[in-house]
Amino acid sequence: NAGVTQTPKFRVLKTGQSMTLLCAQDMNHEYMYWYRQDPGMGLRLIHYSVGEGTTAKGEVPDGYNVSRLKKQNFLLGLESAAPSQTSVYFCASTSQGGTFGSGTRLTVV
Amino acid sequence: KNEVEQSPQNLTAQEGEFITINCSYSVGISALHWLQQHPGGGIVSLFMLSSGKKKHGRLIATINIQEKHSSLHITASHPRDSAVYICAVMSFGNEKLTFGTGTRLTIIP
Repeated sequence: NAGVTQTPKFRVLKTGQSMTLLCAQDMNHEYMYWYRQDPGMGLRLIHYSVGEGTTAKGEVPDGYNVSRLKKQNFLLGLESAAPSQTSVYFCASTSQGGTFGSGTRLTVV
Repeated sequence: KNEVEQSPQNLTAQEGEFITINCSYSVGISALHWLQQHPGGGIVSLFMLSSGKKKHGRLIATINIQEKHSSLHITASHPRDSAVYICAVMSFGNEKLTFGTGTRLTIIP
C-alpha cells in the first residue's frame, strides 16, 4: 500500500475521549475517503473529499468530523468516542479508484 | 438488489486449482476495482479496469462492459492466496466506490 499512510495503527480510547486519525498520500490524488469495516458489514463510507478544502458525508457520518486542509492529508476526528465506534478504519485515495492505507484498529472501552 | 453482486460468497479449493470469482454490476461505470484483504490485514488494490483484461503474475482480471460483468482468475492457486476478494465499482458521475460483499477464498494445501 505504498503511497497512503495511516496513523496510528492501533489505539484504545475510553468512552468520551477524542482523537484524530491521519491519512497522508503522496500521489497527488484529488479524492480521499474514510471507511470503517465491521465484522459482517463490509466497508462503509464515513466521509470523503473530492479536493483540498472540500468534504462530504458518506453512509455513516454521525460521530465523526473530517478536514482536508492540505491536498495530501485527510483527517478523521472523533470528538467524543463511543463503544459503537470500535472498528477498523481505512483511508483510501484515488484518482479513479482506490489505494488503501493499512488500517487503524480502534477500540473504545 | 445490490448494485454490485459477487459470486461465490465462499470458495474453498485445493492448492493448484484454477480459481474464478465473478462480479456483476447494474450501473454504467467508469472503473472497476478488484481488492484483496488477508485476514486481519489491510486492503490491497489488485487491479483497476475500465475495459479488456489485465494480468499480474498469477492473477488475471477481465471486464465485459456490455454485459456489466468482471471476473478475477487465479492460476495455480496457493494457500497464500487465501483472502477476501472484493469487487468495487465507480459509476459515472459518482465520486464514491460501491463495494460488493466479497468472496472469501480458502486454498487448502
